[in-house]
Amino acid sequence: AQSVTQLDSQVPVFEEAPVELRCNYSSSVSVYLFWYVQYPNQGLQLLLKYLSGSTLVESINGFEAEFNKSQTSFHLRKPSVHISDTAEYFCVTLSDYKLSFGAGTTVTVRA
Amino acid sequence: DTGVSQDPRHKITKRGQNVTFRCDPISEHNRLYWYRQTLGQGPEFLTYFQNEAQLEKSRLLSDRFSAERPKGSFSTLEIQRTEQGDSAMYLCASSLKVGGVENEQFFGPGTRLTVL
Repeated sequence: AQSVTQLDSQVPVFEEAPVELRCNYSSSVSVYLFWYVQYPNQGLQLLLKYLSGSTLVESINGFEAEFNKSQTSFHLRKPSVHISDTAEYFCVTLSDYKLSFGAGTTVTVRA
Repeated sequence: DTGVSQDPRHKITKRGQNVTFRCDPISEHNRLYWYRQTLGQGPEFLTYFQNEAQLEKSRLLSDRFSAERPKGSFSTLEIQRTEQGDSAMYLCASSLKVGGVENEQFFGPGTRLTVL
């Protein structure tokens, strides 16, 4: 079964600074990778996904992630964060129909 | 609101009591999933339905847990004789599977269970 490892549990960052959340996945034949976000007191939402094709995928709110097969990584980045980006971020893989979540990275953006 | 809804949002119970949670998926979605999230961890898969058929149950789902989706629409998750270790956030998600294509799973807000 596929799995993911999130390398940072907590990431404090100042507003307008860049942020990178690291994720490594276990290799398998076919790889489907996602980043989900959970804002305070809200449900999980899909942020972006890699299914195939271009290795660089983007979200509508400025996040991007790059699928790197040689390093088995799918790191999430944003060049300039806002206070509203404070949330928990999950790296997720899909195996058959089941989502497998990493332990999560809590991003706290300070002014 | 056409999203996934869950009821109740919070449940506090005493050890040994039975509890039941409800999930209403997005109306046209044929797949429904239950996950459990404990503090400091990501959600873990419990079980899923395609229409009314329960197709897989995780080893995490002990005999005290039962899930149903009687008409292929809403689903219930019941925990009998609750234990303190059952305290967690129970998440429901739904998706539309068409042919061989897996589509995005949409999550509800969750039901937070506290067993005293």
